[in-house]
Amino acid sequence: EADIYQTPRYLVIGTGKKITLECSQTMGHDKMYWYQQDPGMELHLIHYSYGVNSTEKGDLSSESTVSRIRTEHFPLTLESARPSHTSQYLCASSDLGSTSGNTIYFGEGSWLTVV
Amino acid sequence: AQKVTQAQTEISVVEKEDVTLDCVYETRDTTYYLFWYKQPPSGELVFLIRRNSFDEQNEISGRYSWNFQKSTSSFNFTITASQVVDSAVYFCALSEAYGQNFVFGPGTRLSVLP
Repeated sequence: EADIYQTPRYLVIGTGKKITLECSQTMGHDKMYWYQQDPGMELHLIHYSYGVNSTEKGDLSSESTVSRIRTEHFPLTLESARPSHTSQYLCASSDLGSTSGNTIYFGEGSWLTVV
Repeated sequence: AQKVTQAQTEISVVEKEDVTLDCVYETRDTTYYLFWYKQPPSGELVFLIRRNSFDEQNEISGRYSWNFQKSTSSFNFTITASQVVDSAVYFCALSEAYGQNFVFGPGTRLSVLP
């Protein structure tokens, strides 16, 4: 059972607002991820981190930014939200150790609507 | 390059029918992992199973079973006696054993009708 938490779960905000999606995991996993997904559609990796002070851009270009100051915490920030940012954002983590087989565990997701 | 194909975009079955979700993968690695995830309407991705490339034994867990065949690069998922609660999008995924790549398939939407 994965222990990875995202807040808020649902958010409706106005265009131009700044928003931070929080993500925390209690498993001590080194690697963390942010995926963007429209309902039931493909998963798009937008950011990932190998550990503290490590952040990398994913396969899909995103206007969001991330930070990794603590192992357990990987927040995602949009400085100026637009309607095109409306989507579900999924945070995930994995253990880089081989015994886990790189299994990725997901949070419950944050549904963002920009009006 | 790694790739995962789920040719079935959507499947509809009637409750109690058996259904198989197909997954075909491509990789040059000799050591890798295969996964299945379930995404119900609530949106969370739930990890179902992980298989090591060296272990081709089929696995059964309740009504779920998985058939891993390296000869055809397939890792198919069968639900026996389907139930309405099985309705979800199912994703197959592939990971390098020692690298950092983790690739998801496009997903198959399963609808189980009462």
